[in-house]
Amino acid sequence: GESVGLHLPTLSVQEGDNSIINCAYSNSASDYFIWYKQESGKGPQFIIDIRSNMDKRQGQRVTVLLNKTVKHLSLQIAATQPGDSAVYFCAEKTGADGLTFGKGTHLIIQP
Amino acid sequence: EAGVTQFPSHSVIEKGQTVTLRCDPISGHDNLYWYRRVMGKEIKFLLHFVKESKQDESGMPNNRFLAERTGGTYSTLKVQPAELEDSGVYFCASSQRGAKNIQYFGAGTRLSVL
Repeated sequence: GESVGLHLPTLSVQEGDNSIINCAYSNSASDYFIWYKQESGKGPQFIIDIRSNMDKRQGQRVTVLLNKTVKHLSLQIAATQPGDSAVYFCAEKTGADGLTFGKGTHLIIQP
Repeated sequence: EAGVTQFPSHSVIEKGQTVTLRCDPISGHDNLYWYRRVMGKEIKFLLHFVKESKQDESGMPNNRFLAERTGGTYSTLKVQPAELEDSGVYFCASSQRGAKNIQYFGAGTRLSVL
């Protein structure tokens, strides 16, 4: 079936470095993509979104890139901080239905 | 403004018992979604309400699960009878009217069926 998946389950980076979390999706009909951050004991928290008519969107310290040709989504976090440690999920949406989530990448920030 | 709240935060029940989970969406949000994550798996969509109407319940696993949203405000998800494989974290999310609006998630209810 069609699904969203992540390349790496765990990513470890040094504090202050930039992080890149990747995601592949297979549903070419998806028109809206979202990155969520989930900290221990909390629900997924919205980070940034991008519509399919865009290829890049920037937020505060975060950038999402969308490559529709190869169905690839990435989240870049600049100057990572200890508070960035969490599990990051990409999710896609087709029409008005619920979100389809990837497995998640655990980002670990080393001091 | 209060976020999405879920109750209880954790429920431990025995196989065959009934459990009811509650979700209070953000005030004014017409869309309400239920998701769940079972151990080691992705977060999976269960169903979607628009106000009190079920818009899409294609993700509901079987007829042991019943979701309601009477009055279009809070929602309940009942599992009867619970089975071992129902264990996991059940999330609720809400969003404003419109398909592309951000879904805000609650902290989830962790259900353990023993």
